[in-house]
Amino acid sequence: NAGVTQTPKFRILKIGQSMTLQCTQDMNHNYMYWYRQDPGMGLKLIYYSVGAGITDKGEVPNGYNVSRSTTEDFPLRLELAAPSQTSVYFCASSPTRGYTFGSGTRLTVV
Amino acid sequence: ELKVEQNPLFLSMQEGKNYTIYCNYSTTSDRLYWYRQDPGKSLESLFVLLSNGAVKQEGRLMASLDTKARLSTLHITAAVHDLSATYFCAVDPGEATNKLIFGTGTLLAVQP
Repeated sequence: NAGVTQTPKFRILKIGQSMTLQCTQDMNHNYMYWYRQDPGMGLKLIYYSVGAGITDKGEVPNGYNVSRSTTEDFPLRLELAAPSQTSVYFCASSPTRGYTFGSGTRLTVV
Repeated sequence: ELKVEQNPLFLSMQEGKNYTIYCNYSTTSDRLYWYRQDPGKSLESLFVLLSNGAVKQEGRLMASLDTKARLSTLHITAAVHDLSATYFCAVDPGEATNKLIFGTGTLLAVQP
């Protein structure tokens, strides 16, 4: 039972590059979320999805895009990376209430 | 906009002492979560508080919820070094989207 799997665990990007953070869950949860955590701060919601084919913006969506073509997968796309996107990114899934978090992706943009 | 505030932001305490972390939120909610995060790790669920007056206890940690005061507390009894971590509260505003709004976290350092 893998739960929520995030890849990669670490990544260094150059300014202007793009990348996709992968998130997969095997619990058949409808709800999925992407948060970012800046040093010494709480979690800010980037995007979320309430089911396959449905996504919506959270508090800090600028510079990111998502898709949800299947129940299992919820990738986060960074276009034209900027230093302000240096952060730790957490994916989470939920059946109805309560989250299961992935282990996180630590991203540095230089 | 729902705001969730925790205090203190940093807490240094000695082993054996008691202390309380406070979580205040700005809108009606009857569902609140507490998480623990170790350095460089993900978030681990500690407690789910589902109604006014709810109290949950696990080991040296006890969480409570007062929905009328919009306040939750996490009480630490006889702290030990293993409790050193960052603790987050998160509020469910009750929307169909099931989003959680997180507090800024309390970094707890228990000194021997």
